[in-house]
Amino acid sequence: QSALTQPASVSGSPGQSITISCTGTSSDVGGYNYVSWYQQHPGKAPKLMIYEVSNRPSGVSNRFSGSKSGNTASLTISGLQAEDEADYYCSSYTSSSNVVFGGGTKLTVL
Amino acid sequence: QVQLQESGPGLVKPSQTLSLTCTVSGGSISSGGYYWSWIRQHPGKGLEWIGYIYYSGSTYYNPSLKSRVTISVDTSKNQFSLKLSSVTAADTAVYYCARGGGGYNSPGYFDLWGRGTLVTVSS
Repeated sequence: QSALTQPASVSGSPGQSITISCTGTSSDVGGYNYVSWYQQHPGKAPKLMIYEVSNRPSGVSNRFSGSKSGNTASLTISGLQAEDEADYYCSSYTSSSNVVFGGGTKLTVL
Repeated sequence: QVQLQESGPGLVKPSQTLSLTCTVSGGSISSGGYYWSWIRQHPGKGLEWIGYIYYSGSTYYNPSLKSRVTISVDTSKNQFSLKLSSVTAADTAVYYCARGGGGYNSPGYFDLWGRGTLVTVSS
């Protein structure tokens, strides 16, 4: 199973909004509503930010939102803050009962 | 609250078997409904799902690692374990244990993670 495709990097200024895309196929992202997003700060474990495409776990800021169209899922962060600077990974359940991750996107807050 | 903690050797020789244990505290592995998983991250790289075990003992492994992976559970100790055989330098990574939820017969997301443990494969 190939990894999901994410941009290597995105950047934005404080207060702005950014969107990170995650492209897969009809066998993973497009076929199921089991897309999740993770935030990882350097040297730390990943943290679940969005699950089942657009749901936020308790405690996650409502500045984080998720969506999906066809084979591409998106994570949007509004009102960028310095603490949002991190690596972000998407993940999807697949038709072969596997789990596949994206290659990761480094978010820089300018 | 539920917490996960990995433990095991940080250095493994090539061709040997990597063995790690994840201890779950604050909740019971046997409570059901979760896929107790292992995920790894090569240095400076992305995440790779290794596989899971359900409290009942059923397992599913990433096809790319299936021939070398065994995940087991000890409900009496509230632990689950990973064994990866015939390791090479390519298996050097940070290994995380995680709690998976959702999905159909595999996790749709991972809502709790251990801190991770670096395992280096070197002679």
